[in-house]
Amino acid sequence: AIQMTQSPSSLSASVGDRITITCRASQGIRNDLGWYQQKPGKAPKLLIHDASSLQTGVPSRFSGSASGTDFTFTIDSLQPEDLATYYCLQDNTYPWTFGQGTKVEIK
Amino acid sequence: QLQLQESGPGLVKPSETLSLTCTVAGGSISSSGYNWDWIRQSPGKGLEWIGSIHSSGNTYYNPSLKSRVTISKDTSNNQFSLGLSSVTAADTAVYFCARVVTVYGPWVPFDYWGQGTLVTVSS
Repeated sequence: AIQMTQSPSSLSASVGDRITITCRASQGIRNDLGWYQQKPGKAPKLLIHDASSLQTGVPSRFSGSASGTDFTFTIDSLQPEDLATYYCLQDNTYPWTFGQGTKVEIK
Repeated sequence: QLQLQESGPGLVKPSETLSLTCTVAGGSISSSGYNWDWIRQSPGKGLEWIGSIHSSGNTYYNPSLKSRVTISKDTSNNQFSLGLSSVTAADTAVYFCARVVTVYGPWVPFDYWGQGTLVTVSS
């Protein structure tokens, strides 16, 4: 199975900060990568698909990019409601695999 | 607005079979261009893809669970189901159903999710 290595596992930042989360795939997955936001007790929510395509209705402060097997997720100007755990998902090859998650806390 | 809702027993005994149903409202699971998946999340842990049933009826399972998993769909009731046999405490998790869009170019995985249902394996 393709391994997705996500980092950091947690981060703390202030409102208005720019934060970055990365996922590295153990092999090439083209741009078949999504980013999800999960708030406590809720189902994950799709934010980004195809590495950089913003899902309809998602604020533009969320973005994604790709470089080879490295994928980056960015929140420009962190907001209080962005408190959550973020996961990447590779949907290139079954079994689809998630990163370990990044818990984002607000200072 | 599409809605997915998981249902099934919240408590299953070890060695028995876990059975869950996902009821879809606001769209037909018979429509081509969509797959229907199951994902689970153990308490305090990350997410694990369980498997998928495609519009063709073909199924794909996580090899880590493959010998124990069955996914099927009931188009007359607009539902799809998960069966997981010989469960142990390690199968205790929140189980989610979700949709994958395949109709427009690159797939869009899990744009809609159910709220999730906690299944505890315990005697």
